Amino acid sequence: EIVLTQSPGTLSLSPGERATLSCRTSQSVTSSYFAWYQQKPGQAPRLLIYGASSRATGIPDRFSGSGSGTDFTLTISRLEPEDFAVYYCQQYGISPWTFGQGTKVEIK
Amino acid sequence: QVQLVESGGGVVQPGGSLRLSCAASGFIFSTYGFHWVRQAPGKGLEWVSFIRFDGGNTYYADSVKGRFTISRDNSKNTLYLQMNSLRAEDTAVYYCARARISGYDFRLSLDPWGQGTLVTVSS
Repeated sequence: EIVLTQSPGTLSLSPGERATLSCRTSQSVTSSYFAWYQQKPGQAPRLLIYGASSRATGIPDRFSGSGSGTDFTLTISRLEPEDFAVYYCQQYGISPWTFGQGTKVEIK
Repeated sequence: QVQLVESGGGVVQPGGSLRLSCAASGFIFSTYGFHWVRQAPGKGLEWVSFIRFDGGNTYYADSVKGRFTISRDNSKNTLYLQMNSLRAEDTAVYYCARARISGYDFRLSLDPWGQGTLVTVSS
């Protein structure tokens, strides 16, 4: 099983600031099979990024993904009030599909 | 529009059974693979199971293998999760989620997700 480790656990930032979230995998993952999701309290997760760097339908361009091998990054260029949420990374190239433990982006 | 609606959650005693359903609409159900993903209270996401578009291949997390069965009825546009021998650690919100695009490939991200149904295993 591929283990995904996200850092930091919590990110405290102000609206307008840049957020950088990291996800490290226990073995190399093909970037085509890597995603990021956003989850707000009481809501289902929502796909943000797939294929490591492709934005899902309707996702604003302030969200960007990058990385390869074992290190992947989600960047939010300028935080909007609606971006404060929990973010999960996921690999879907090899069963079992696995998620990171999440990074909470909170208002400072 | 694309919609997934889960149902069937509730309170069940340890060792009991429950069947979850996920009703789909707004797209051609029979051409997409589907997942079940769960989230224990206050915890992260845990992938549970996947079924291919035609039901021909299924996958399970080790934590549920032998106890849970994923299935689908393409004539009813509905996905199921039969859960037997339930344990306290199965307590979670269960989400169904569609593969992002249709086809054979199981290596796809999950989009969209349903709103979830809560399963509580307690005596």
